Amino acid sequence: QSVLTQPPSVSGAPGQRVTISCTGSSSNIGAGFDVHWYQQLPGTAPKLLIYGNVNRPSGVPDRFSATKSASSASLAITGLQAEDEADYYCQSYDSSLSGRWVFGGGTKLTV
Amino acid sequence: EFQLVESGGTLVQPGGSLRLSCAASTSIFSSYTMNWVRQAPGKGLEWVSYISRGSDTIYYADSVKGRFTVSRDNARKSLYLQMTSLRAEDTAVYYCASGVTYDSDSFDVWGQGTLVTVSS
Repeated sequence: QSVLTQPPSVSGAPGQRVTISCTGSSSNIGAGFDVHWYQQLPGTAPKLLIYGNVNRPSGVPDRFSATKSASSASLAITGLQAEDEADYYCQSYDSSLSGRWVFGGGTKLTV
Repeated sequence: EFQLVESGGTLVQPGGSLRLSCAASTSIFSSYTMNWVRQAPGKGLEWVSYISRGSDTIYYADSVKGRFTVSRDNARKSLYLQMTSLRAEDTAVYYCASGVTYDSDSFDVWGQGTLVTVSS
């Protein structure tokens, strides 16, 4: 059971828009800690996709965007492409004693 | 470019011990905090441990506390994870990761991972 909750899977046709939610609690996202998003292609290490809730690292297409509100966050991908098919993880910091940096369970995007 | 390369993963019996290493390519390794993150086969990411630049602050996930020890050697530009009393549930790919470029607690540099399999 992950501290941050994501849907196990989402899907969309090429060119469409999809969103992935990430729900936390008052000890992590709700406490004001930043949310970050990662993309993991099969057999590779995770890649930072969004940092600080809404910021894209250099080289990440602007088809990827994210928002944060209250105790949740959301990743949006527009103009879906076949190469977007991957696992996506949200991450934040948790102030409880049981954990520090916490990840969502991951969402498999099928294009 | 800051690169990380893990090594040391192998098959180990339950109850055994193993030390993972993570070698950094940058000469300013000492400027960065470091983390270990693991991923069990077919599962999601789990943060394991954090170590500060000077090793004065260390954190562990509850799942490994008391069994794993993180350390670093800034002169050798290396990060280590000493794992003892290994269990089947410790089977995973272990990544070292760091937040280098951005002023946030995200991880923008990751190694390729090293597989630890705990099985008899």
